[in-house]
Amino acid sequence: QKEVEQDPGPLSVPEGAIVSLNCTYSNSAFQYFMWYRQYSRKGPELLMYTYSSGNKEDGRFTAQVDKSSKYISLFIRDSQPSDSATYLCATLGSSNTGKLIFGQGTTLQVKP
Amino acid sequence: EAGVAQSPRYKIIEKRQSVAFWCNPISGHATLYWYQQILGQGPKLLIQFQNNGVVDDSQLPKDRFSAERLKGVDSTLKIQPAKLEDSAVYLCASSLGTGANVLTFGAGSRLTVL
Repeated sequence: QKEVEQDPGPLSVPEGAIVSLNCTYSNSAFQYFMWYRQYSRKGPELLMYTYSSGNKEDGRFTAQVDKSSKYISLFIRDSQPSDSATYLCATLGSSNTGKLIFGQGTTLQVKP
Repeated sequence: EAGVAQSPRYKIIEKRQSVAFWCNPISGHATLYWYQQILGQGPKLLIQFQNNGVVDDSQLPKDRFSAERLKGVDSTLKIQPAKLEDSAVYLCASSLGTGANVLTFGAGSRLTVL
């Protein structure tokens, strides 16, 4: 079993739709969770960073962590064509070293 | 603030040849990471440096991969000899320290092994 699992998609939605991206993880000891966005031929860039359970909102983006079910979600409201990218969930595998464990990534296309 | 610089951006080699990638992290960032991202997969950590010391190289194929961080700043990742399965994007990232720090990634070096 992979430590972080993510549906690779691809996911295609019309502009303005609400997008839901999800990951599951296996180790209940994981505490820090991130979402990275990766445009084609670019490196990942940090989008959201959450600690433990709960919601965190930043503009059109909301990150949600449910530790009881080991489930991580990213919601994008009013999606735009510029949101078309691969979204990677990640967790901090070791708080001592800062090692990130990534999911496979979900490719999102927002059509105008 | 300048980002993480990587070169070359693209490299095509034959199997069994060697290749080297270079990374210059953000100024002042003590921690440097090399990740391998195979097409359709998430990045996988190869090696992590804290200043010029290795923190984690548990997933580095040491029979063919090597990495060093000169004077705790720039880093090079070398593959010798390359295999077909080494075709991937090699991402360098840096952070201020270890622990729950934010990683900043470079654009990556795309390797194709024929």
